[in-house]
Amino acid sequence: QVQLQESGPGLVTPSETLSLTCTVSGDSISGYHWSWVRRPPGKGLEWIGYIHYSGNTRYSPSLQSRLTMSVDMANNRYSLRLSSVTAADTAVYYCARLLHNPIPGQYYNYHYMDVWGKGTTVTVSS
Amino acid sequence: DIVMTQSPLSLPVTPGEPASISCRSSQSLLHSNGYYYLDWYLQKPGQSPQALIYMASNRASGVPDRFSASGSGTDFTLKINRVEAEDVGVYYCMQTLQGRTFGQGTKVEIK
Repeated sequence: QVQLQESGPGLVTPSETLSLTCTVSGDSISGYHWSWVRRPPGKGLEWIGYIHYSGNTRYSPSLQSRLTMSVDMANNRYSLRLSSVTAADTAVYYCARLLHNPIPGQYYNYHYMDVWGKGTTVTVSS
Repeated sequence: DIVMTQSPLSLPVTPGEPASISCRSSQSLLHSNGYYYLDWYLQKPGQSPQALIYMASNRASGVPDRFSASGSGTDFTLKINRVEAEDVGVYYCMQTLQGRTFGQGTKVEIK
């Protein structure tokens, strides 16, 4: 059974860099895409981006200039770094696996987020 | 960017009765492969989000068959055949055609 666990500092100073890690257990990180989603207090879900185990990434346009994702195959985990944070980056951050589903007649797959971590709360404040 | 708009934003429901949530996208979610690129997720109180529907009408693994979804072009609907108390939470649609964008969420609660 695949499990995901987010980790990182709960408090980040404005203008600094937020760093989070998602550790995957029960399956290999290889072969999948891995994503990040956040939920600011009192608001809805916001997609942050995803990374393929090969290192290919796709980021939200609104965060792209501040965002970096990476994969650590040796430790079966992946990470997020968001620079120049402000109070608007305060949120519960979730990591999730993107499960691939075959599309009839196509050589590529469809992906949706099937397994999620429990989330970690990050507050940006001085 | 594709903008997703859900309605209603709040939905009081009666157990045993049907319920329906609408999701509209700012442009068609039809992929060149003929399939619609839209998912539905539910975040129950105190829990992480969970997948309900992918590719507009396919139930994710383990999702009860009282949940169904349909739609085309820019208009999509999630239906709960007979609401149960455990179905309360915030429902989100999300387009997957260009990156990902969530709708604002629809809060479902028991009357």
